[in-house]
Amino acid sequence: EDQVTQSPEALRLQEGESSSLNCSYTVSGLRGLFWYRQDPGKGPEFLFTLYSAGEEKEKERLKATLTKKESFLHITAPKPEDSATYLCAVQTSGGSYIPTFGRGTSLIVHP
Amino acid sequence: NAGVTQTPKFQVLKTGQSMTLQCAQDMNHEYMSWYRQDPGMGLRLIHYSVGAGITDQGEVPNGYNVSRSTTEDFPLRLLSAAPSQTSVYFCATRNGEGVGYTFGSGTRLTVV
Repeated sequence: EDQVTQSPEALRLQEGESSSLNCSYTVSGLRGLFWYRQDPGKGPEFLFTLYSAGEEKEKERLKATLTKKESFLHITAPKPEDSATYLCAVQTSGGSYIPTFGRGTSLIVHP
Repeated sequence: NAGVTQTPKFQVLKTGQSMTLQCAQDMNHEYMSWYRQDPGMGLRLIHYSVGAGITDQGEVPNGYNVSRSTTEDFPLRLLSAAPSQTSVYFCATRNGEGVGYTFGSGTRLTVV
């Protein structure tokens, strides 16, 4: 059974304090790993797709990396507007390409 | 270009009532799906469709019905609402395999 585990469940940072969120996965035949941002009361917003180990993607203060067992979402010098829940999902090459979501990391950045 | 539109945004139902959650997209995406999101449980797939006339069950399909008569619309029907169906429901679409979803803004449903 495919499993996706995100850690920590919650993270509090001071503005400018860089950190990383983790998404570890146990799947057979990874087709893609996705990161989403979800603001309170809204639907998740797509950030990145990573397809193979060693791949990296960047967007503003966010950088996503991928290994064979986990992905990291690095947040450099975060600002209060980066506060949100960050979701990870993995999609395997078998079946109908249905992604499995992790439970998310709630990030709060204090000014 | 509205993306994915869900209606209503909020709904309160009494146990046993039925209702339909609407999802419409204007991106011509073949793949559409319904998720529910509960605290501590993450997003769980209810039903999905890979094109008009084709639907299939996800992880938690019991108590829900779907149909897909057009590319644009994918309604979710609650047959006889139960308190356990209190949740936030999201419709999500994607354009092909191995790509990210576009989510709607959600419907917050409370069953009393």
